[in-house]
Amino acid sequence: GAVVSQHPSRVICKSGTSVKIECRSLDFQATTMFWYRQFPKQSLMLMATSNEGSKATYEQGVEKDKFLINHASLTLSTLTVTSAHPEDSSFYICSARISSTDTQYFGPGTRLTVL
Amino acid sequence: AQSVAQPEDQVNVAEGNPLTVKCTYSVSGNPYLFWYVQYPNRGLQFLLKYITGDNLVKGSYGFEAEFNKSQTSFHLKKPSALVSDSALYFCAVLTGGGNKLTFGTGTQLKVEL
Repeated sequence: GAVVSQHPSRVICKSGTSVKIECRSLDFQATTMFWYRQFPKQSLMLMATSNEGSKATYEQGVEKDKFLINHASLTLSTLTVTSAHPEDSSFYICSARISSTDTQYFGPGTRLTVL
Repeated sequence: AQSVAQPEDQVNVAEGNPLTVKCTYSVSGNPYLFWYVQYPNRGLQFLLKYITGDNLVKGSYGFEAEFNKSQTSFHLKKPSALVSDSALYFCAVLTGGGNKLTFGTGTQLKVEL
């Protein structure tokens, strides 16, 4: 149980294009999902908290117009990197929280490379 | 502010030997503590957590962790390490009113034959 999927696992795009990453909780419902960014050999940096049916809460320094988050259902949150640039290249990881246990379960991550 | 510290960037251990990955915490109130493991190019896998109750918490893959309030520590342990345990381990604490996880810097565990 508590499986979270992400799609795609890897994406390469040209500078200036937009990329959408999906995060799904497969066997549970999640009112809250989270998006993280991880640089090589570093810890996870929380980008935003995604709440089902409401606007996402962004961490300080994260541009909400650049990283669009939509949490339209209890099992799906999407992160869209708009007008991507090479500095946006990173490993993006989502998680979904089971409220009753206060435990977050993580997706396998998406490797974004912007050329 | 709630935080966790992992003082070791890397831990090396021989297969079959016990392993310990250290974590200390700084929180106000009762800490909710977690351990996750990350294999290369993968997301994090939940290992175990401490919320309340027994100080010794048992988790996945034979791992356990001991909550020590006096030393503000939550070290991850395993009696007998396997080469397949080699990975990056993160300690984390629940913050933000119980909604966010704050991670330590991670400890690379290398188990050698």
